[in-house]
Amino acid sequence: DTGVSQNPRHKITKRGQNVTFRCDPISEHNRLYWYRQTLGQGPEFLTYFQNEAQLEKSRLLSDRFSAERPKGSFSTLEIQRTEQGDSAMYLCASSLAGTSGGLSYEQYFGPGTRLTVT
Amino acid sequence: RKEVEQDPGPFNVPEGATVAFNCTYSNSASQSFFWYRQDCRKEPKLLMSVYSSGNEDGRFTAQLNRASQYISLLIRDSKLSDSATYLCVVNGGTSYGKLTFGQGTILTVHP
Repeated sequence: DTGVSQNPRHKITKRGQNVTFRCDPISEHNRLYWYRQTLGQGPEFLTYFQNEAQLEKSRLLSDRFSAERPKGSFSTLEIQRTEQGDSAMYLCASSLAGTSGGLSYEQYFGPGTRLTVT
Repeated sequence: RKEVEQDPGPFNVPEGATVAFNCTYSNSASQSFFWYRQDCRKEPKLLMSVYSSGNEDGRFTAQLNRASQYISLLIRDSKLSDSATYLCVVNGGTSYGKLTFGQGTILTVHP
């Protein structure tokens, strides 16, 4: 399977604990994105990378959230001191960058990591 | 006002019906437009990109009206397998990377 993969698929944690999720994009894709989705809503953008550079972060991404893509391949999303409001599906997507680094081509999503904070 | 607004739904139609979904977006500088499909507790999957000239893929037809900032999706001859949430998605404007999703419209096709 050469699609986007995410691990773990499910995570249950207690409030106040730290969690880390991993995303492996489609191999030739240079852009990688993180989104969060809660029940009944569309996904909300969190951040994205082009290669190893983090190009944009949403104001939704509080200082408890950090994302990295150290070698321009896989990415990690860490949430520190989790809160119950962090419970959601965390989705990763990847794409190619457009010409001259502009608009992205179509984004393809991984299966997501479902986080439950108790 | 939300950046991307969709029909509230849900839509409940019989097999073989034609159903249309509408969507409006607020950022006139938006440049790319898509419909994604999401099955229950699964990831969004790209259904089709939407072009100014309109485009068709089998039973699915998408239209874009930039002047009205309006996007539509038409599904003909609905199948049971079309039951899903349909997400209207916009890219560009203030960001090259960020996709902005509508809330989604739930479609249920019944026998």
